[in-house]
Amino acid sequence: NAGVTQTPKFQVLKTGQSMTLQCAQDMNHEYMSWYRQDPGMGLRLIHYSVGAGITDQGEVPNGYNVSRSTTEDFPLRLLSAAPSQTSVYFCASSGAGWKRTDTQYFGPGTRLTVL
Amino acid sequence: QQQVKQSPQSLIVQKGGIPIINCAYENTAFDYFPWYQQFPGKGPALLIAIRPDVSEKKEGRFTISFNKSAKQFSLHIMDSQPGDSATYFCAATESSGGSYIPTFGRGTSLIVHP
Repeated sequence: NAGVTQTPKFQVLKTGQSMTLQCAQDMNHEYMSWYRQDPGMGLRLIHYSVGAGITDQGEVPNGYNVSRSTTEDFPLRLLSAAPSQTSVYFCASSGAGWKRTDTQYFGPGTRLTVL
Repeated sequence: QQQVKQSPQSLIVQKGGIPIINCAYENTAFDYFPWYQQFPGKGPALLIAIRPDVSEKKEGRFTISFNKSAKQFSLHIMDSQPGDSATYFCAATESSGGSYIPTFGRGTSLIVHP
């Protein structure tokens, strides 16, 4: 298993540009989530999904969109990038139901810089 | 509102020392308390976890102490090594809440000097 994969690893955007951060998992996990990590702020939840077709907002959702059309993929879209969105973004997944895992499995992260 | 408060923000110890990281929570419905370890340039990974029915759990050199009445839990690293230098996050999850999404503390940057 590859676990949780994220692309790209690094990205530089100009203010106002849009882009999609990709996240995929091959563990057949129901739950997927996106976090941003900033110095001194820990991991803050942006959006999460409890299954295909179901998404919900986390602590810091503004400026981001998500969709979940398949169990495997959970892309994060930046609609109009702002310097405040410069951060490291992590995708995570966990199992539910009879496949439940309390452990969050994290991807390697995407480091985004917005100029 | 910060539901899981973690301290200290940073910690420096000498090799062989016993760094202690503390976390406190508000929500009494939390019933799973994991610690994640993150090395530079990597994603966090589960280190050790505890449920509130026990007061202590050990895995190798890592120990979680849990005080349910005080709503506090802590991570102790025995005989710390330079390879333990990383950022540590505590977290708490409410299993009955349905989403199993953990609430994370803000992290502790640990440096272990040789």
